[in-house]
Amino acid sequence: QSALTQPPSVSGSPGQSVTISCTGTSSDVGSYNRVSWYQQPPGTAPKLMIYEVSNRPSGVPDRFSGSKSGNTASLTISGLQAEDEADYYCSSYTSSSTSYVVFGGGTKLTVL
Amino acid sequence: QVTLRESGPALVKPTQTLTLTCTFSGFSLSTSGMCVSWIRQPPGKALEWLALIDWDDDKYYSTSLKTRLTISKDTSKNQVVLTMTNMDPVDTATYYCARYTISAAGNRYHDYWGQGTLVTVSS
Repeated sequence: QSALTQPPSVSGSPGQSVTISCTGTSSDVGSYNRVSWYQQPPGTAPKLMIYEVSNRPSGVPDRFSGSKSGNTASLTISGLQAEDEADYYCSSYTSSSTSYVVFGGGTKLTVL
Repeated sequence: QVTLRESGPALVKPTQTLTLTCTFSGFSLSTSGMCVSWIRQPPGKALEWLALIDWDDDKYYSTSLKTRLTISKDTSKNQVVLTMTNMDPVDTATYYCARYTISAAGNRYHDYWGQGTLVTVSS
């Protein structure tokens, strides 16, 4: 069982918006803005899409945005495109004694 | 530019020790804020963080696997090595190394990843 909880799947039609949630605890998401999001198309390595809750690395489209409220972080993808279909993982630094970095269980985004 | 590449055996037998090497370029692991993590992903499953080593040679491990893992670095060779003892079929996974950056502002993220190497544990 992953330390951060994500919905197994979300879907949307081209042009629509979808939001993926990532729920943690006061040891990770709730206490630190060190939340990042990764995109992983099938058969490829993860790619950093969002860091520090809402910052985009150079080259990531502004259709991707992040936010956080309490123990839950969210990734929103607006103007869905077919190329956005992939697995998405959230991650956070944690002060828990059991780890240093934690990942979510992943969410499969299907573009209908 | 920053690149990382994992290398190691594709097949190991149960109870054997796995040794994986991450060879990187484009940054130095002696620079403040630079770290390297190992992360694995069983087929069809989620990412699992395993271990991290930082520029100051501090090491961090997943508690659930801590007794089986050892991470080390050779700064002169730009390499990070992970050993995992007592391998079991459930350890079959793609193993990734990734750069973990701690910025001056305290931001933390895995910004560059290797392509991953699939390790199968089977007799």
